[in-house]
Amino acid sequence: NAGVTQTPKFQVLKTGQSMTLQCAQDMNHEYMSWYRQDPGMGLRLIHYSVGAGITDQGEVPNGYNVSRSTTEDFPLRLLSAAPSQTSVYFCASSYSRYTGELFFGEGSRLTVL
Amino acid sequence: GQNIDQPTEMTATEGAIVQINCTYQTSGFNGLFWYQQHAGEAPTFLSYNVLDGLEEKGRFSSFLSRSKGYSYLLLKELQMKDSASYLCAVKRGYGQNFVFGPGTRLSVLP
Repeated sequence: NAGVTQTPKFQVLKTGQSMTLQCAQDMNHEYMSWYRQDPGMGLRLIHYSVGAGITDQGEVPNGYNVSRSTTEDFPLRLLSAAPSQTSVYFCASSYSRYTGELFFGEGSRLTVL
Repeated sequence: GQNIDQPTEMTATEGAIVQINCTYQTSGFNGLFWYQQHAGEAPTFLSYNVLDGLEEKGRFSSFLSRSKGYSYLLLKELQMKDSASYLCAVKRGYGQNFVFGPGTRLSVLP
């Protein structure tokens, strides 16, 4: 049982480049989400999904897109990377859209130059 | 607005007891979670309180007072492996809407 798998673990981009962070879970979880973690700040929600075909914005959605074509996968796209998007990104899932703890992936460290 | 406060850093000795406090001001409170995060790793779930009182899970306990907007995580018989950041997160409303605190970095010394 792999849990929540994120790739890549590390990435360096130049300003203006685009990229996709991949997230997959094998626990048949209904809810999936993306957070960013910056020094001195709590985890902040970027986007989330309560099921295949359903996505919504979190606290800091600007500059990011998501889609959920299957229950398992929830990729995060950076459209035109900016230095302010340098951060550690975590994908998290839960069994239910209403309750339960979050299961986090290992994180993806992104640097935008 | 939404605000969660935790001490930035704490230090304790192996074998001792430490209490990590969390105060919050949020609307739509529907539970408080604690996560542990070792440096460079993913957060992992520790405990959950939705009603006032103490929840005990082995060496870890968590307390909640909804009227005071206050929670604490109590770690007993500290071990070196408990050196980590501890994240307090408030669940808001009926969905999985969480507001995370900045985390408390705990260092356990021999």
